[in-house]
Order: sequence, then C-alpha cells, then structure tokens
Amino acid sequence: NAGVTQTPKFRVLKTGQSMTLLCAQDMNHEYMYWYRQDPGMGLRLIHYSVGEGTTAKGEVPDGYNVSRLKKQNFLLGLESAAPSQTSVYFCASSNQARGLGEDTQYFGPGTRLTVL
Amino acid sequence: GNSVTQMEGPVTLSEEAFLTINCTYTATGYPSLFWYVQYPGEGLQLLLKATKADDKGSNKGFEATYRKETTSFHLEKGSVQVSDSAVYFCALSDPGANSKLTFGKGITLSVRP
Repeated sequence: NAGVTQTPKFRVLKTGQSMTLLCAQDMNHEYMYWYRQDPGMGLRLIHYSVGEGTTAKGEVPDGYNVSRLKKQNFLLGLESAAPSQTSVYFCASSNQARGLGEDTQYFGPGTRLTVL
Repeated sequence: GNSVTQMEGPVTLSEEAFLTINCTYTATGYPSLFWYVQYPGEGLQLLLKATKADDKGSNKGFEATYRKETTSFHLEKGSVQVSDSAVYFCALSDPGANSKLTFGKGITLSVRP
C-alpha cells in the first residue's frame, strides 16, 4: 500500500514549456486535490476532483488544467509555464464519507518545480 | 469564507520545553480541525484531528482540543524533542464544500539539544 505517490519529484522548466504532474493513489479514495506550497503562504488549493471524470476549480486555478480519467489518477498540467508557477506541488486524496470521520486528506511527497 | 490563523513564527525551543502553537479559525457550519506536520524535505502528514466541539485529538505526545466557544485549536506538547523540528500547519475541513481544506500559513519549529 503505497498511499499517494507523485511523479516527478523535481523538474526544471523554461518559460513557455509545458508539463504534466502525475498523482496516483491506491486507497480507492473518491476525492483528490492539487495544492501548491509557497513560502509564507501555506498551501493553496489549485483544483480538485470529487470522483472519476469530474474536476473543479480551487482557490488558484489560473494557468493549470487537470484531468481525472481514472479514479486512482489525478493529473495536473501546465500548458505554458511561467516563473510565478515555481513552487512545490502536493497532491492529496480523501474519502467522502464525512459522517464516518473519513474526511482526512492524505498527501503525496511533493514535486518541486522551478520555472526559469 | 473560511480562514485559519496561526501564530507567527518561527519558534525555537530547547529540548524538553513546553510547546504551544496557537490556531484560531473562522468557518460557517461545523468543520473538522486538523494539525498536519511537514518534516524537512517531505510531504504533509496528519498529526491529529478533531471532528466536533470539545473533542481532543492526540498523537505522539501532541494534543489539541476543539474549542467552539473560542474558535480555537491550539497545539500543545509537554516536552519537545529535537525530532519534533518541523513545520506545523493548522487546517479546517468544510463538509459543505467537498471537504476542502483551508490551511493556516504554517509555523516552523526548531528544537535545539
């Protein structure tokens, strides 16, 4: 049981390049989330998904797209990277049964992205 | 909207000192409250949680009590260790918003021998 995994762990891009970050979870969770972490800002939600085939915008969605074609995978895409997207990106997943106290989010190890 | 406010950091303590990290929140409805910890170079790990008023979450010697009257969820530990050095995040989960987490800005704790 690997939990939540993210690939790659590190990446350096030039301005204007594109890339996709992959998040995978093996806990059969319904909900998945993408966050970015910046110094002094805490974590901010980019996009999230409440189930296979669904996506929704979070707090800072501009410049990012996501897809959830399979329940276990949640992809984050940058179509044209900008230096402002230099950050550490975290994926998380959770179950939806709030009544059972199952709203805990489980996080991946993160991807450190630098855009030059 | 929802918000979480943590005390300003960083915090530096000597080993075996008492730790308090303040956290207050603003939310509609009845959120769950969390403390997450991030060790250097790693992702976030759940430290403890509380799902309703007066609940106490505890783990690894850390405790926090869900205080609805003061809208607080302060983290405490009686005797910190060097291995507790990390960044600590307070967060709330809004059940009316697909359990999305709202995080505080985090506080860095350094414990010296």
